[in-house]
Parts: sequence; structure tokens; C-alpha cells
Amino acid sequence: EAQVTQNPRYLITVTGKKLTVTCSQNMNHEYMSWYRQDPGLGLRQIYYSMNVEVTDKGDVPEGYKVSRKEKRNFPLILESPSPNQTSLYFCASSTAAWQPQHFGDGTRLSIL
Amino acid sequence: SQQGEEDPQALSIQEGENATMNCSYKTSINNLQWYRQNSGRGLVHLILIRSNEREKHSGRLRVTLDTSKKSSSLLITASRAADTASYFCATVSNTGNQFYFGTGTSLTVIP
Repeated sequence: EAQVTQNPRYLITVTGKKLTVTCSQNMNHEYMSWYRQDPGLGLRQIYYSMNVEVTDKGDVPEGYKVSRKEKRNFPLILESPSPNQTSLYFCASSTAAWQPQHFGDGTRLSIL
Repeated sequence: SQQGEEDPQALSIQEGENATMNCSYKTSINNLQWYRQNSGRGLVHLILIRSNEREKHSGRLRVTLDTSKKSSSLLITASRAADTASYFCATVSNTGNQFYFGTGTSLTVIP
């Protein structure tokens, strides 16, 4: 089954404790992206990747890192999480930037 | 930010009625896409309209695009309770690779 898998689905952690949210897709998609969703603000793009070893900043990249060492994986790293990064995060993938995106089920992060 | 806006923010209708939501965006686009999100779940792609198209249909969905006004509308005909969800428009600029989502319309269809 074609899917985008994010882990964990839920995480409560404390300020400053490094965390990684994993994202994996099995559709051989070249384009992958991370979004955060906050009430009243819709989805905002954090980082995107056009292909392996090619990543670029979206609208709200501060406080986040990503890597794309393999085509299928695109982890989101919060080196020193802060409470303002409490949000619902989505990973998505597509064959190209302008093509429809397939979304994971989301990761709800709470940073205390 | 180049994020778009949607109007209305919330819409409540009776089952069987039509639902119309509007999207405005800020940049020149390659295409415009509409997505649906059930509460707290991932978004699901509904329909894509290219910048050189003015109208597109898919089942009970009708999308229009007016690039001169930088706006689009999504019409859901003969709505069902199962259409209750949030709907988002999204654009990719024709000069870059970023995706911009609107702020969403929350649709409630009352049985």
C-alpha cells in the first residue's frame, strides 16, 4: 500500500531535549516536505527536499533541521525544542513539487 | 508570507445543499490544488487545476480558477454528512518549489 509513515504519532517532551520525527515513503517520490499546522494559520512549510541531498527552507525553518540521505526517508530534527514548536506536524511526498502531495497521518508534539 | 486565505473560515449547511468555499492567493502559480482534512488527520488531495484552466470537475466537485483575480472556488454539490471536514487550497509558485496552503474552511454538513 502506498503510504507516508511518520513516527512517533504523539510525543510529549521537555524544552531543550533533542528529538527526531521520522518520515518514510514507499512510492519512490522525489519531493518530500514537512509542514506544521497551527490553529488559524493553516499549514506552513518548514523544509522541503527536491531529491537526495537536496533540501531547502520553507516558510518557517527556524529551530528545525532536516536531512535527505536516502530517497525514502526525510527526518525532521529539533535540536533544542521550545514550547513554541508545540504543533501538529505533517510529512508529505510527491513525484514533483507541483504534483499532488501524499500526507502522513501527522505527529502531535507537545513541548513543555 | 505568501500563504493564501480562504473564505469563509467556517461553513455550516444542511445535507443536500451545495457548499462553496473560496481561496485567494498571492503569487503567479503553476497550478492550484484543493485538499480535504478530516479532523486531526493527514490531508487528502481532491483536485488540481492548472493555471491555464478555468474550470474543472470531479464527481460532485467543481473548481474554478481566475488567475487575473488570483482566486479559486471549490463547489461541493449535494453535500453529505461525510463531507464534513476542513478544506484547504494550495499553490505552487511558477518560480519555485514551495507549497503554500491557505488557512482552510471548516465545513459542517448537518444530516
